[in-house]
Amino acid sequence: EVQLVESGGGLIQPGGSLRLSCAASGLTVSRNYMSWVRQAPGKGLEWVSVIYSGGSTYYADSVKGRFTISGDNSKNTLYLQMNSLRAEDTAVYYCARVDYGDYLLDYWGQGTLVTVSS
Amino acid sequence: QSALTQPASVSGSPGQSITISCTGPSSDVGAYNYVSWYRQHPGKAPKLMIYDVSNRPSGVSNRFSGSKSGNTASLTISGLQAEDEADYYCSSYTSSSTFRVVFGGGTRLTVL
Repeated sequence: EVQLVESGGGLIQPGGSLRLSCAASGLTVSRNYMSWVRQAPGKGLEWVSVIYSGGSTYYADSVKGRFTISGDNSKNTLYLQMNSLRAEDTAVYYCARVDYGDYLLDYWGQGTLVTVSS
Repeated sequence: QSALTQPASVSGSPGQSITISCTGPSSDVGAYNYVSWYRQHPGKAPKLMIYDVSNRPSGVSNRFSGSKSGNTASLTISGLQAEDEADYYCSSYTSSSTFRVVFGGGTRLTVL
């Protein structure tokens, strides 16, 4: 059974940094396409970033240059380093596996809430 | 990238059937059978309910079905139950996004 468990969210002041983690079991992070998708309060789903199994990374324009996605093979964990946080980054952040064979997201974590506020 | 277009809300009574539409460009929804549907209960993560327009993952009730006509995909839920009350999102392959998948704006289903 695949499980994705996010952690690392919290309340942070504008301009601050946070690192989100997504611990995986039942799948190997480095062998899959893994993503971060966020959902602002009362809003829809928004892409943040994806990392390919080959290591290529892609970012939404809204976070490019501020966020970095990465993986740790030894811990089978996906990360999202978030710097220079803004109020508009406030959202629940989900990690999810992307199946680029059928262009879908089949496994999702429970999400972690990031609140950027002074 | 532009989101796929879904109605903001739909409603139905227990036992009835409802349909949620998802409209996108002819180059995306219309050209490929890579439409998926997700259900999201309040405070929970999205769950994949339909993929490749009309396929159900293992464990998903056969009350959920999907179809497509032209540039519009549809999710039909038959025999509505209280537990079906949730937000529903569609997604599709897109060639116009870095992520190659675009989401719909979401539809809130209310079971009356």
